Amino acid sequence: QKEVEQDPGPLSVPEGAIVSLNCTYSNSAFQYFMWYRQYSRKGPELLMYTYSSGNKEDGRFTAQVDKSSKYISLFIRDSQPSDSATYLCAMSYSSASKIIFGSGTRLSIRP
Amino acid sequence: GAGVSQTPSNKVTEKGKYVELRCDPISGHTALYWYRQSLGQGPEFLIYFQGTGAADDSGLPNDRFFAVRPEGSVSTLKIQRTERGDSAMYLCASGINDGYEQFFGPGTRLTVL
Repeated sequence: QKEVEQDPGPLSVPEGAIVSLNCTYSNSAFQYFMWYRQYSRKGPELLMYTYSSGNKEDGRFTAQVDKSSKYISLFIRDSQPSDSATYLCAMSYSSASKIIFGSGTRLSIRP
Repeated sequence: GAGVSQTPSNKVTEKGKYVELRCDPISGHTALYWYRQSLGQGPEFLIYFQGTGAADDSGLPNDRFFAVRPEGSVSTLKIQRTERGDSAMYLCASGINDGYEQFFGPGTRLTVL
């Protein structure tokens, strides 16, 4: 069993829809929870970051962490075609340490 | 400002050959990470440098893989006796000393024929 599980998709939704992306994990020692976005043939870029449990909102993006269920989510409101990318959930045990990534979900927003 | 740069962007080699992949981190970043990403998968950790020393090399798959960072800035990932299974995107990231954020470069796509 992988430490971090993520549905690879692909996921296709119409422009303006709310998108929900999720990951589960097995190791309760994870403290930092992140979502990275990766466009084709580019390196990942950090989108959202949460320390421990809770919610965090940034514009159209909301990240949620439920440590009791070992479950994290990313919500995208008013989705745009420019949001089409692969979204990677990611976790680490501490700051400045290796990141464990999910396999990524390919998202396509249809105009 | 300048981000993380990696050279070459693409490398094609033959099975059994030796390759070197270079990473130039963001100026002033003391932490440097190497990851490998296969098609359809997330990046997998290889090695982490803090300054010149390897703080965690637990992700290196075998002794054919080696990485150095002699002056605490540029790093080179070295792969000996390449195998077809080494074909992947090799990503480098850098960060500040105790920061959680890692800034990724565009990667080097390695193809072993």
